[in-house]
Amino acid sequence: AQKVTQAQTEISVVEKEDVTLDCVYETRDTTYYLFWYKQPPSGELVFLIRRNSFDEQNEISGRYSWNFQKSTSSFNFTITASQVVDSAVYFCALSETGANNLFFGTGTRLTVIP
Amino acid sequence: NAGVTQTPKFRILKIGQSMTLQCTQDMNHNYMYWYRQDPGMGLKLIYYSVGAGITDKGEVPNGYNVSRSTTEDFPLRLELAAPSQTSVYFCASSYKGGHTEAFFGQGTRLTVV
Repeated sequence: AQKVTQAQTEISVVEKEDVTLDCVYETRDTTYYLFWYKQPPSGELVFLIRRNSFDEQNEISGRYSWNFQKSTSSFNFTITASQVVDSAVYFCALSETGANNLFFGTGTRLTVIP
Repeated sequence: NAGVTQTPKFRILKIGQSMTLQCTQDMNHNYMYWYRQDPGMGLKLIYYSVGAGITDKGEVPNGYNVSRSTTEDFPLRLELAAPSQTSVYFCASSYKGGHTEAFFGQGTRLTVV
């Protein structure tokens, strides 16, 4: 059965600090997809990244970076030099082969203090 | 670009009342979804559709119904509202299935009293 664990319920950091949000997943599939979504205070979910299980290359997009490690079933998200606008709830999600939907973790609420 | 539009944004229902949450998308996506988000929880799938005329149950379908008569619209019907249905409801769409990027509406905050 699929499972996504985001053990950090809430994190607070001071502006300009780096922060890493953890995501651990479980699946029996060899082909699957991992996602990160951001939910700002306005409420809508915004897509950040998608990774398939065959691509373990780390990715960097501006201040955001993602570390995918199949050996530890983790897909962690790091924000460098955090800003107040990064304050949001961040969800990690998993989609297995042939699945028609996403399976979400419980989210991590990040608060960046100015 | 409208994307996925949900109405209403907020609603208070009395126990036993019924209502329909509206969702429309203008991206010509085949796949559409309804999720609910309870406090401190991730989103859970209620129903989904892979195209007009085709719908299927998700993880938590009890108390809800859907229809998909057009590609654009995917309304969610609550019959006999119960306090357990107090939640934030999100409609989403994607070009293909769960392995593709999903686009979400802004959500509907529903309270059943």
